[in-house]
Amino acid sequence: DVVLTQTPPTLSATIGQSVSISCRSSQSLLHSNGNTYLHWLLQRPGQSPQLLIYLVSRLESGVPNRFSGSGSGTDFTLKISGVEAEDLGVYYCVQGTHAPWTFGGGTKLELK
Amino acid sequence: EVQLVESGGGLVQPGASLKLSCVASGFTFSDYWMSWVRQTPGKTMEWIGDIKYDGSYTNYAPSLKNRFTISRDNAKSTLYLQMSNVRSEDTATYYCTRRTRGIGFDYWGQGVMVTVSS
Repeated sequence: DVVLTQTPPTLSATIGQSVSISCRSSQSLLHSNGNTYLHWLLQRPGQSPQLLIYLVSRLESGVPNRFSGSGSGTDFTLKISGVEAEDLGVYYCVQGTHAPWTFGGGTKLELK
Repeated sequence: EVQLVESGGGLVQPGASLKLSCVASGFTFSDYWMSWVRQTPGKTMEWIGDIKYDGSYTNYAPSLKNRFTISRDNAKSTLYLQMSNVRSEDTATYYCTRRTRGIGFDYWGQGVMVTVSS
């Protein structure tokens, strides 16, 4: 199975600060069809996960543009340009290029 | 508005069986693959499996395929997860998710807790 390693496991930030989360894959997530099935989820405290970004960099409808995704192959990054209070929670990367679907261990974003 | 509402969780003894349900609304259920994902108490996320929009094909995590079965009733817009011979390591919150091609898990239910303990 593909192993996704997220760093850091915990991230402390102040409101307005920009932060980045890394997701590294044990193998390339570039599919033979040219797509890279790497997505990002946010789970706010006490809530279900929600989709933020799909196919590395495409924002889900309704997601603020302070969120951005980048990367290719095995290295991916989620960036938040100006953290807001509603951004606090646990971020997960998830891959669907190689069966079975696998998730990263999560990065908890908390207020400093 | 897309809604996924799970039910059927609770406390169950090791070795027993349990069936979870997920009622979908706000979209054409029969047009979508659906998946089950679980989250352990330690917050680890694990994909359980999924089912094709017409119910004709299922995929499972290799470690679970002999004990878990996914099915659906499109007439009732309902997804099911049959769990058998449950173990303590099956203790988790179970989520029903809609899976959209190329996008992944775009909608999640509120989750249902399953605790396996004697």
